[in-house]
Amino acid sequence: KAGVTQTPRYLIKTRGQQVTLSCSPISGHRSVSWYQQTPGQGLQFLFEYFSETQRNKGNFPGRFSGRQFSNSRSEMNVSTLELGDSALYLCASSPGLDSPLHFGNGTRLTVT
Amino acid sequence: SQQGEEDPQALSIQEGENATMNCSYKTSINNLQWYRQNSGRGLVHLILIRSNEREKHSGRLRVTLDTSKKSSSLLITASRAADTASYFCATDPFNTDKLIFGTGTRLQVFP
Repeated sequence: KAGVTQTPRYLIKTRGQQVTLSCSPISGHRSVSWYQQTPGQGLQFLFEYFSETQRNKGNFPGRFSGRQFSNSRSEMNVSTLELGDSALYLCASSPGLDSPLHFGNGTRLTVT
Repeated sequence: SQQGEEDPQALSIQEGENATMNCSYKTSINNLQWYRQNSGRGLVHLILIRSNEREKHSGRLRVTLDTSKKSSSLLITASRAADTASYFCATDPFNTDKLIFGTGTRLQVFP
């Protein structure tokens, strides 16, 4: 089985721009979660989708949004980028509740 | 704020020694998981222990859970240089349906 795939691997954007990150979960996994990882704040939960519905959301501003498609693939969008949005964005999939997460290798976003 | 706090923040040992990492958390949980992250990559799931379990083993890994103290420990026996990574505990608190990660322990194993 292929693992969780995140694209792109690296991204450089300018303040004020917007960005879309993509995540393809493991086949058969219906839950997709997104995390932001920075040296200062560690791993912060962004949101989780299950069967195209946002089931949970972390404490991030409305500039951070996401969606999940019928094939379970997920995207997250960050609008009006700020320098502080520079981070490793990790996507993880799982078959459902109470199951371990399977992570992709992340998208490293740098905002200049 | 973080649900879990790992201790120590960093640990350096020689190959063959045992490594122990501790995790404390704040609220009641359904389960606790440990993950490993190699530099700049995604996290890899190591072990899950449920709130009604006290100890669990997987290969060279031993995890304990004390729900009365809201703490867990991860023991890696006979460590290898390949064990060099950051280790995170993650809790699944009651009524939240989300996995909250701790601050992590950076483990360096010298050959």
